[in-house]
Amino acid sequence: EVQLEESGGGLVQPGRPLRLSCSTSGFTFSDHSMTWVRQAPGKGLEWVGLIRSQTYGGTAESAASVKGRITISRDESKSIAYLQINSLESEDTGVYYCSTSTSELPLAPLDVWGRGTMVTVSS
Amino acid sequence: AIRLTQSPSSLSASTGDRVTITCRASQGISSFLAWYQQKPGKAPKLLISATATLQPGVPSRFSGSASGTDYTLTISDLQSEDFATYYCQQYYTQVYSFGQGTTLDIK
Repeated sequence: EVQLEESGGGLVQPGRPLRLSCSTSGFTFSDHSMTWVRQAPGKGLEWVGLIRSQTYGGTAESAASVKGRITISRDESKSIAYLQINSLESEDTGVYYCSTSTSELPLAPLDVWGRGTMVTVSS
Repeated sequence: AIRLTQSPSSLSASTGDRVTITCRASQGISSFLAWYQQKPGKAPKLLISATATLQPGVPSRFSGSASGTDYTLTISDLQSEDFATYYCQQYYTQVYSFGQGTTLDIK
């Protein structure tokens, strides 16, 4: 069974950086892209970014709303994906989910999700 | 970026009703459209991929269709467990995007 587990959330001061982790198991991590989605309190889902599998270059894409402030990376040896957000703003507050597709295709819907980790940006 | 405009934003219905949620894409997305269900405090759950393909275990009362850049999720014979928020998502490009969501509640 494919499982994802996010960690690293918590209370962070504005302007500080934060790195979230997504630990995975139950599948061949290197064959799958990993996606980050966030949800502000009481709001809808917002796609944050993704990192492609090594097969497709291991490169990342990010939403315009966070471009330049985030870095998405992956550690193939540990089967972990990371989301680093710099210069945190109050608007970054929310639940951050990592997700993936059991398909190895580069364009595929997200059929596996973690439970999410809460990030609160406040002084 | 491809924008998805979902309507309505909220919807009240009764068990046994048939409801329809629409998602309009700002450009052609060649059926690379998925629907998710989310319940409070839970992660989204994929219901439908590629416009109309039901995921394993999803009841057949859920269906998806498309006409041009308009995509539709239909739920027939609403059950109590269907009251939730629904999102569309395009994966035509790897700059994904979600619709704003439709909250379906009990009338």
